[in-house]
Amino acid sequence: GPKVLQIPSHQIIDMGQMVTLNCDPVSNHLYFYWYKQILGQQMEFLVNFYNGKVMEKSKLFKDQFSVERPDGSYFTLKIQPTALEDSAVYFCASSLGLNYAEQFFGPGTRLTVL
Amino acid sequence: GDSVTQTEGLVTLTEGLPVMLNCTYQSTYSPFLFWYVQHLNEAPKLLLKSFTDNKRPEHQGFHATLHKSSSSFHLQKSSAQLSDSALYYCALSPLIASSSFSKLVFGQGTSLSVVP
Repeated sequence: GPKVLQIPSHQIIDMGQMVTLNCDPVSNHLYFYWYKQILGQQMEFLVNFYNGKVMEKSKLFKDQFSVERPDGSYFTLKIQPTALEDSAVYFCASSLGLNYAEQFFGPGTRLTVL
Repeated sequence: GDSVTQTEGLVTLTEGLPVMLNCTYQSTYSPFLFWYVQHLNEAPKLLLKSFTDNKRPEHQGFHATLHKSSSSFHLQKSSAQLSDSALYYCALSPLIASSSFSKLVFGQGTSLSVVP
């Protein structure tokens, strides 16, 4: 079936540095999402993105976070600067349609901030 | 606000026995409910989704019934297989008339381990 890829699978960085997480969504999908999962907790919605714009974001989507998808390439989540509490697994998802369309998830990027 | 509760963190079953994983929810509106399954080192994949017409969704032998009266969407299967061992997430998508975008609100997940 359709696959979402995430690069890298693991990333270790020092606190205060910038990190970019990359997502290659399903090719004809139009809606993109990021979720965050801290170890031992549930996945939580960060942001969704459509037509070049953030449509909705949660309280977890701090000012240090940004998303973009330049020229139909990777959908990226940038954190600048990183903090210790950003350590988590970040899942990217994409969907074709509007409400309640299936979201296809990537396998996640495990981010460790030291 | 919206929330999903999965009371069991770990369920261990013998192959061939029935499976029931609990899911209850709270939502201001009448949401859509989903079950996602995540096998080790793989991406979460959609297993089931509730229907607007209250039909019972089924997939790979699993089924779930949305009970609005009890705000539940428990996952069931009549006979567990070894390959069913995975992490199972219940999730809801809030029905917000003003929004066209469906974020998912997840439960904490239930790890199902099926043993011979």
